[in-house]
Amino acid sequence: ILMTQSPATLSVTPGERATLSCRASQSVSSNLAWYQQKPGQAPRLLIYGASNRATDIPARFSGSGLGTEFTLTISSLQSEDFAVYYCHQYHNWPQTFGQGTKLEIK
Amino acid sequence: QVQLQQWGAGLLKPSETLSLTCAASGGSFSGYYWSWIRQPPGKGLEWIGEINHSGSTNYNPSLKSRVTMSIDTSNNQFSLELSSVTAADTALYYCARVKRRYSSGWYSYWGQGSLVTVSS
Repeated sequence: ILMTQSPATLSVTPGERATLSCRASQSVSSNLAWYQQKPGQAPRLLIYGASNRATDIPARFSGSGLGTEFTLTISSLQSEDFAVYYCHQYHNWPQTFGQGTKLEIK
Repeated sequence: QVQLQQWGAGLLKPSETLSLTCAASGGSFSGYYWSWIRQPPGKGLEWIGEINHSGSTNYNPSLKSRVTMSIDTSNNQFSLELSSVTAADTALYYCARVKRRYSSGWYSYWGQGSLVTVSS
């Protein structure tokens, strides 16, 4: 299953909302996760099951979608949110990741 | 708190075999799927495969002919071997564990990453 994220780079002002998209080439139901990765660090789980926040993830992160279209929304960007974000489908083998969206400060 | 600590050779020559091991601590070992994921420099994530506590494996078809995963439940460790490496296998390799028992899924726990460079 091919996962396509858009945009590749998103420039946003701190305090504003960011909306990241992920599209699957075929349905993955709700078997989708989102991760945040900062330079030199392993990915960090944000969202699983398309819309469930992982433990200790702030409420400003939310996920939505089902089937082939998914969205990660960060409601009010903090300085620590600027990073690369990946979607991940675990519906079928092989599991696949999107190519990432880099969220940068405008 | 689950922790994953990984290690292995960092510099290989083309045609050699990559070998990495990941040790888990702070939680139960049995009942989970244990995975390897890699990330070429400056690029995205690629799922290599997974192994469960009983040794059942799922591999990425793109690497299947070269990948072997094994598990050592007595020492809470699992390993990755990738044969006949080329420069295209240069990447940061992560071990990871899913959240739920007895099921593939999302990755809640990650190792620190091991940079493997293939160069003659």
